[in-house]
Amino acid sequence: SQELEQSPQSLIVQEGKNLTINCTSSKTLYGLYWYKQKYGEGLIFLMMLQKGGEEKSHEKITAKLDEKKQQSSLHITASQPSHAGIYLCGADMGGAGSYQLTFGKGTKLSVIP
Amino acid sequence: SQTIHQWPATLVQPVGSPLSLECTVEGTSNPNLYWYRQAAGRGLQLLFYSVGIGQISSEVPQNLSASRPQDRQFILSSKKLLLSDSGFYLCAWSRLRGFEYNEQFFGPGTRLTVL
Repeated sequence: SQELEQSPQSLIVQEGKNLTINCTSSKTLYGLYWYKQKYGEGLIFLMMLQKGGEEKSHEKITAKLDEKKQQSSLHITASQPSHAGIYLCGADMGGAGSYQLTFGKGTKLSVIP
Repeated sequence: SQTIHQWPATLVQPVGSPLSLECTVEGTSNPNLYWYRQAAGRGLQLLFYSVGIGQISSEVPQNLSASRPQDRQFILSSKKLLLSDSGFYLCAWSRLRGFEYNEQFFGPGTRLTVL
């Protein structure tokens, strides 16, 4: 089974609307990373969360990690066409300082002007 | 600042032909290096990672291999391509273990189509 579950798989929103993407695991997330990918391109690093209850913001994107460190959410306020793409969460599930990240399958976001 | 390059950007190869994809990183020393494959509906699959020159760890049994001949160069190879090798190949780097964070930074990717 997938160790990191992302929901929804795809999302279509009207420009200006808010949206939330979730990333859930049954295991402790030692580090949680959010990336954005345009089709056919590499992943762009957005934010990293490490501590339970941590919240970070960059422009109109806010990411949170729950207190139990098993769920993260990515919230976009007043979405714009430039926010369209695939959002992936990745997590360090092997303990602090481990080499590997496990990734979810991604959430495809479309923003209609 | 650090940059990561991959080439070629796209590649179309016949079944049974060899493969060589190259990845280089600039602006950092002793990085961890990674090869991923991204296939539709399957997400990112880690294929290989390397913590130093000549040190390769394989995550998935397959007909692919990886080599790290220089500190900032990572090569993905195959002697005979299969149809199932088609996909989007991404190279990534991160700082050495021991740092608090392990964010990985990705290259632009190579789209491989095996016919």
